Amino acid sequence: DVVLTQTPSILSATIGQSVSISCRSSQSLLDSDGNTYLYWFLQRPGQSPQRLIYLVSNLGSGVPNRFSGSGSGTDFTLKISGVEAEDLGVYYCMQATHAPWTFGGGTKLELK
Amino acid sequence: QVQLKESGPGLVQPSETLSLTCTVSGFSLTSYSVSWVRQPSGKGPEWMGRMWYDGDTAYNSALKSRLSISRDTSKNQVFLKMNSLQTDDTGTYYCTRVENGFDYWGQGVMVTVSS
Repeated sequence: DVVLTQTPSILSATIGQSVSISCRSSQSLLDSDGNTYLYWFLQRPGQSPQRLIYLVSNLGSGVPNRFSGSGSGTDFTLKISGVEAEDLGVYYCMQATHAPWTFGGGTKLELK
Repeated sequence: QVQLKESGPGLVQPSETLSLTCTVSGFSLTSYSVSWVRQPSGKGPEWMGRMWYDGDTAYNSALKSRLSISRDTSKNQVFLKMNSLQTDDTGTYYCTRVENGFDYWGQGVMVTVSS
């Protein structure tokens, strides 16, 4: 199975600070069809995961543009340019290139 | 608008079978695929399997021997059945629409495996 390693596991930030989360894959996530099926989700306490980014860098509908995704192959990054209070929660990366689809271990974003 | 809603028993006895239903609205199961994802309390999500729009299925190899996913397109429902439940199957079970990158999720249903 593909292992996704997220760092850091806990991220302390102040409101307005810019932060980044890394997601590293044990295998390349570039599919034979040319797509890279890497997604980012935010799960707020007591809620379902909410999709932020799809196919590495595409912003989901209704997602603020302070969120951005980048990367290729095995290394991916989610950046938040100016953390807001509503961004607090656990962030997960997920890959759907290789079966079984797998999630990263999560990064908890908390207020400093 | 697009909605998914999971339903099923909150408590299941060890060794018994879990049956869950995902009822969707706002889209057709013959045009979109649906996946099941579960999450133990305080832990990360785990992909369980999916029902493709064409009726084909795929399962996480770790669960394949115990898991079955089916659907009734006339009722806009996707079903999950998993047998031989154990305590580590306790958690929240979600269904999510696959195409467009898991853009919609249900609220989840909490399942506790206990005698």
